[in-house]
Amino acid sequence: DTEVTQTPKHLVMGMTNKKSLKCEQHMGHRAMYWYKQKAKKPPELMFVYSYEKLSINESVPSRFSPECPNSSLLNLHLHALQPEDSALYLCASSQGGQRTYEQYFGPGTRLTVT
Amino acid sequence: QKEVEQDPGPLSVPEGAIVSLNCTYSNSAFQYFMWYRQYSRKGPELLMYTYSSGNKEDGRFTAQVDKSSKYISLFIRDSQPSDSATYLCAQKQGAQKLVFGQGTRLTINP
Repeated sequence: DTEVTQTPKHLVMGMTNKKSLKCEQHMGHRAMYWYKQKAKKPPELMFVYSYEKLSINESVPSRFSPECPNSSLLNLHLHALQPEDSALYLCASSQGGQRTYEQYFGPGTRLTVT
Repeated sequence: QKEVEQDPGPLSVPEGAIVSLNCTYSNSAFQYFMWYRQYSRKGPELLMYTYSSGNKEDGRFTAQVDKSSKYISLFIRDSQPSDSATYLCAQKQGAQKLVFGQGTRLTINP
């Protein structure tokens, strides 16, 4: 099973809402990633978790809060977002280390902030 | 240090043509290069990776790295309409990070 699942597929939220994005993988991967992708742009790395510990935070605003409850799950908690945060949020996983080049992506959550 | 440059296209070719997609990179310290394919409304999927320089072939796809010119290429032979997608080059920078090019949107016309 090489599938990364993400829920929800679509999310519309107001600037005062709190919501969470969820990601799950069952490949035994120990590295998990959150990316943000705007239309016609490449994915931009937000966070990396390695062995359930946050190892990279690409200077992401604090209104985005990642969480890795266990090795299979990754959440992204959203609070007080801005309209410019509207984007496709992609989760990925890999074996990490030298195999970081081989990342498996989920289909993404398309987020609209109104 | 994160620049990986890629012409966004769009690129449109007839079915059966040979497609050449290209990227340049600026940081020579990192030697893993990847090509990901992204269909509309899907996440990217890894097509091929190369380490250092040279060619790597997988079916109709060939990835090439030229270290002297800091150039990476993906060739698609006998292109098919199902190859229509956005192709993203990427460089592995450090232990845990991929930096992507902008992506080239490719359309193969039947």
